[in-house]
Amino acid sequence: AAGVIQSPRHLIKEKRETATLKCYPIPRHDTVYWYQQGPGQDPQFLISFYEKMQSDKGSIPDRFSAQQFSDYHSELNMSSLELGDSALYFCASSLRGVSGANVLTFGAGSRLTVL
Amino acid sequence: AQSVAQPEDQVNVAEGNPLTVKCTYSVSGNPYLFWYVQYPNRGLQFLLKYITGDNLVKGSYGFEAEFNKSQTSFHLKKPSALVSDSALYFCAVRDRRWGYSTLTFGKGTMLLVSP
Repeated sequence: AAGVIQSPRHLIKEKRETATLKCYPIPRHDTVYWYQQGPGQDPQFLISFYEKMQSDKGSIPDRFSAQQFSDYHSELNMSSLELGDSALYFCASSLRGVSGANVLTFGAGSRLTVL
Repeated sequence: AQSVAQPEDQVNVAEGNPLTVKCTYSVSGNPYLFWYVQYPNRGLQFLLKYITGDNLVKGSYGFEAEFNKSQTSFHLKKPSALVSDSALYFCAVRDRRWGYSTLTFGKGTMLLVSP
């Protein structure tokens, strides 16, 4: 079965540089979520999209932006990178359904290292 | 606000013994509750969820969890642990009133099963 695809899997950047992460959700899933997981930390919600519109916003820095495109893939853009941005970035997708019981399916993550 | 507490950073158990990973939650309304497992350098994988009905929920790989409303707990259990169960386990909650709100994760509990 198709899973959530994230690219790149690993990314190394210098401070103040820009990075873009991509996420391809499971086909027919209408909602995409981005989470950031620092070393030894729980996943922190950044932002989500439902049907290409921003749905919910969490602790996403102003230096970050995201969007969902017409083909439902999503991109997380990170500018002016800081050392503290080094983390595992997860994308997840779900089918929203009629309740809040939808299960999120996570991708394998993109590991960003800022030097 | 919704939150999850996993009081144990690590749980150690011998193979073949029963295991319990604890989780308590806090929501204003009624909860949807989830357990996810994370293997090293992998995304989170869904194990099981509680929506309504029977307080004992059965999930993947022989895991089950018991919902206790009075104690606001959702402990993960397995009758007989395997070495391959060693991983990081996350409990998550969504407030049923805000059906499409973000999923909030606990800090995670590392389960180590010794041979």
